[in-house]
This record gives sequence, C-alpha cells and structure tokens, in this order.
Amino acid sequence: GQNIDQPTEMTATEGAIVQINCTYQTSGFNGLFWYQQHAGEAPTFLSYNVLDGLEEKGRFSSFLSRSKGYSYLLLKELQMKDSASYLCAVKGDYKLSFGAGTTVTVRA
Amino acid sequence: SQTIHQWPATLVQPVGSPLSLECTVEGTSNPNLYWYRQAAGRGLQLLFYSVGIGQISSEVPQNLSASRPQDRQFILSSKKLLLSDSGFYLCAWSGGTTGRNTEAFFGQGTRLTVV
Repeated sequence: GQNIDQPTEMTATEGAIVQINCTYQTSGFNGLFWYQQHAGEAPTFLSYNVLDGLEEKGRFSSFLSRSKGYSYLLLKELQMKDSASYLCAVKGDYKLSFGAGTTVTVRA
Repeated sequence: SQTIHQWPATLVQPVGSPLSLECTVEGTSNPNLYWYRQAAGRGLQLLFYSVGIGQISSEVPQNLSASRPQDRQFILSSKKLLLSDSGFYLCAWSGGTTGRNTEAFFGQGTRLTVV
C-alpha cells in the first residue's frame, strides 16, 4: 500500500518562501507529483519528480529523495493567489494516491 | 489535445436513491482512469481505478461500484446512496505507467449532497 504524510496547514507572508514537506511509503514507485487545489475546484498539476534532485519551474520547485521517501515543494515570492491546498501524490504501479493536502494561507 | 468531461457538476439526491456519474476522455486512447472522493476539507481518497476496458480495481469497500464499458468512459454508480456518500467526486485520467505522461488530469468534479 501507500502512506503519504504532509502537514495540515502552513501560513506565510506575501513575498516570503514556504516549504511543504511530504514523506511517503509505497510499494512500487513511478514518480511523485505536486498539485494545487483551490477551494471547490479540481486539482491542477504543478510538478513531477521521478529521479532524485530538484526540479525548478518558475516560482515553484520540487525536490525528491527516493532513498528517504521524501519530497518538498518550495514556493517562492509568495502571492495572495497562492493561498490554496497543495497535494502530494505518489504513483505506484498504476495507482495514483494522494496525501491529505497542506492548506497554505498567504497573509499580506 | 486531450480533454476530460465529467457530469453533472452538482447533484442533490435523497438517501436510498441510485447514483450514476459519468466521465469521458477525448483525444487519447487506453488511458488509466480514476475515481476519487474528497470530503470537505480533506484529501483525495482513491475509490476505483482502471487500466483497461472492463478492468476495475476497488480501493475502498463500500456501496459504490465502477464500470468501464468503453475505452474512454468511466462510470461511478450506487444502488442506494447513504448520507456518508456526500462529497466532491473527481474523475481523472493519466497515460502510461512511467515517465512524465503519468500526470493525472482531472475533470471539473461533481459535488454530491445526499439528503
């Protein structure tokens, strides 16, 4: 099975940096995804990691360590519109399983 | 380009009534298909996934069922809804099992309220 843990909530100030950690245990690994979900909407894709290391995409970066079962999503230069839930998801052989999500609140 | 359609967007159903939610994908073949449920303020719970026509894997035992009668059609059903079935239901598809194309794309979701 798969077990995915991430913090429930985080708060940060506009313009700051926030790091959301995700730890996982999985049988079979075909990649780790991060999604953003605004209230009442479907999740949208942010990033994908399958090899160890850092993937950078604009203000968002994602890191993976397969040996540690660990990933983080880094949000830089936070904007008010970044207030949302951030979901860590792990792809096994076929299943895509999600963590409970981290609600990020950006304050002015 | 690929698109995913899910309907209806909202649904209010009485306890004990049947349910049928439909999801179709366009622009791809042999997708992996998923049904998730999200309770208010919670994460996504995987309900069913399918890797091919007629192939359904169930993750959580409950009074829901899924079917895949065609390659790009995925249906979530119930014979008798319970109050606890209320939630936000999301259909998703992904291509392949490895590589960047394993990203999941979500439908707009169906908000189901059982009263």
